[in-house]
Amino acid sequence: AQRVTQPEKLLSVFKGAPVELKCNYSYSGSPELFWYVQYSRQRLQLLLRHISRESIKGFTADLNKGETSFHLKKPFAQEEDSAMYYCALSDYGGSQGNLIFGKGTKLSVKP
Amino acid sequence: NAGVTQTPKFQVLKTGQSMTLQCAQDMNHEYMSWYRQDPGMGLRLIHYSVGAGITDQGEVPNGYNVSRSTTEDFPLRLLSAAPSQTSVYFCASSYRVGQGTPQYFGPGTRLTVT
Repeated sequence: AQRVTQPEKLLSVFKGAPVELKCNYSYSGSPELFWYVQYSRQRLQLLLRHISRESIKGFTADLNKGETSFHLKKPFAQEEDSAMYYCALSDYGGSQGNLIFGKGTKLSVKP
Repeated sequence: NAGVTQTPKFQVLKTGQSMTLQCAQDMNHEYMSWYRQDPGMGLRLIHYSVGAGITDQGEVPNGYNVSRSTTEDFPLRLLSAAPSQTSVYFCASSYRVGQGTPQYFGPGTRLTVT
């Protein structure tokens, strides 16, 4: 079954520290992986797509098909990075591109 | 472009009442969807549509109806509200169907059923 797992409900780091938000997925086909971010009481915003291989707001994420992971990383966390982060998976063929979300990780960056 | 808009922002219903959550997008997107967001559960897909006149069920469709008479609008109807439907509801859209493409989310509707 298709599944996205984010093992940490809450991740707390100090400003300037590195941060890694973990995401593992279960899917037998060729998934597309995303990271979405939700700042306090705002709508979800797309942060990264694995196919873009870009860095947004200092965040990067690499798809590791061998480990079925798509961890989100940033070398130096900022207070404004505090938010809820969701990893999501979309398949190409079966479900018309529907997104399957993990349960989310709340990142708290302390001053 | 206004993007994806949702009304109302907040709503309180009594058990058994019905209501419609509105969602509209002005980006000519083919694909639209509704999710509910609950603490510790992430976002779960309720219904989705791949074009006008076409809708399908997601993971948690029970108690909800949808229709897609135009490309722009995708309303979500609660037929007989229950406390278990207390949640934040997000509408989303993307410009094409068939491959994973980024979805753009509305601001959400916070619904409380008493």
